[in-house]
Amino acid sequence: QSALTQPASVSGSPGQSITISCTGTSSDVGGYHFVSWYQQHPGKAPKLIIYDVTSRPSGVSNRFSGSKSGNTASLTISGLQAEDEADYYCASFTTSRTQVFGGGTKVTVL
Amino acid sequence: QVQLVQSGAEVKKPGASVKVSCKASGYTFPSFGISWVRQAPGQGLEWMGWISGYNGNTNYAQKLQGRVTMTTDTSTSTAYMELRSLRSDDTAVYYCTRDRSITMVRAGDYWGQGTLVTVSS
Repeated sequence: QSALTQPASVSGSPGQSITISCTGTSSDVGGYHFVSWYQQHPGKAPKLIIYDVTSRPSGVSNRFSGSKSGNTASLTISGLQAEDEADYYCASFTTSRTQVFGGGTKVTVL
Repeated sequence: QVQLVQSGAEVKKPGASVKVSCKASGYTFPSFGISWVRQAPGQGLEWMGWISGYNGNTNYAQKLQGRVTMTTDTSTSTAYMELRSLRSDDTAVYYCTRDRSITMVRAGDYWGQGTLVTVSS
């Protein structure tokens, strides 16, 4: 199972919106509603910020939103803040009943 | 509150085995799954496998099939991940995560603190 494709880096100024893409195939992202997104700060464990494509766990800011079109899922961060600077990973359920992660995207707040 | 507490760091020689534990608290263990995810130094996340807290059903990443075994002890709400025939590229931080589903891997909503496993001769 190949890793999902994410851009290596995305940057934006405080207050702006940015979008991170996550491209897979019909065997993973395109075939199921089970895409999740994780935020990871250096030296810390990942944190779930989106599950089932669009749902936010309790306590996660509504500045984070998810969507999907075909084989590509997207994470949008609105009103970018300094604390959003981190690595972001997408993940998807697959036809093999396994999970595959994206390679990760480093978000920089300018 | 939900907590996953993992066992401590390990140093192993190539060819050896390692068993990492993950003790859960703050929720009903059989009502969720447990996934294991690892992260090599400076690298991204890699999904290793999932086990149902309800019936022990498992799904493993194809590349680890035959080398990894995941188990649970519902009496102590503890999950275990054993990796055999260790190689240098197994050096990583290993995380357990509580999965939102008992029937399939879905999303890890709580994570352990991570366990560093170093494989070196």
